[in-house]
Amino acid sequence: AQSVSQHNHHVILSEAASLELGCNYSYGGTVNLFWYVQYPGQHLQLLLKYFSGDPLVKGIKGFEAEFIKSKFSFNLRKPSVQWSDTAEYFCAVTTKAAGNKLTFGGGTRVLVKP
Amino acid sequence: GAGVSQSPSNKVTEKGKDVELRCDPISGHTALYWYRQSLGQGLEFLIYFQGNSAPDKSGLPSDRFSAERTGGSVSTLTIQRTQQEDSAVYLCASSYPRGVAGRLETQYFGPGTRLLVL
Repeated sequence: AQSVSQHNHHVILSEAASLELGCNYSYGGTVNLFWYVQYPGQHLQLLLKYFSGDPLVKGIKGFEAEFIKSKFSFNLRKPSVQWSDTAEYFCAVTTKAAGNKLTFGGGTRVLVKP
Repeated sequence: GAGVSQSPSNKVTEKGKDVELRCDPISGHTALYWYRQSLGQGLEFLIYFQGNSAPDKSGLPSDRFSAERTGGSVSTLTIQRTQQEDSAVYLCASSYPRGVAGRLETQYFGPGTRLLVL
């Protein structure tokens, strides 16, 4: 069965700093990878996704992620964060073998200080 | 267009009571999923419906949990004889069916139902 790990549980940074959140998955076959974000008091929203093709994926609000197959990683990045990026970020994976269900990482809480 | 809707948004119940949680998927989405978000367990899959196929119930934590989907649209998650450890946010998501060349489609989430069992 697949699993996802997110290395950082909490990240605190100042506005304009760069952000990188780590995500590693364990599964030997083809995967689809996602980053979801949950802003305070709001529901889960899709930031970006990787299905195939260019391993560098660009999402909404200036976020991007890079799929590195050899490292089983899908790290999320943003060059310059804003206070409004304060949220919890979840990495997730689906596989055909698992029947479409999302397996989530434990989440990373990001606090951006103004 | 309208997103996934869930009701109620909050539910407080007493231990031992049954609860029903409702999900209305996005129109046209034939796949529907239930997840649970709790402090101790994070986000975990519960059950998945795809069209008329038998549901994937592999994530249901006990036989007190069941779900049905009537008419291929609205779904109800039922928890019988609730326990305090059932307290969590129950999330519903929907998606289009598996697409071209078997590509898995993006799941869109509803706002969740926050369940508190006293």
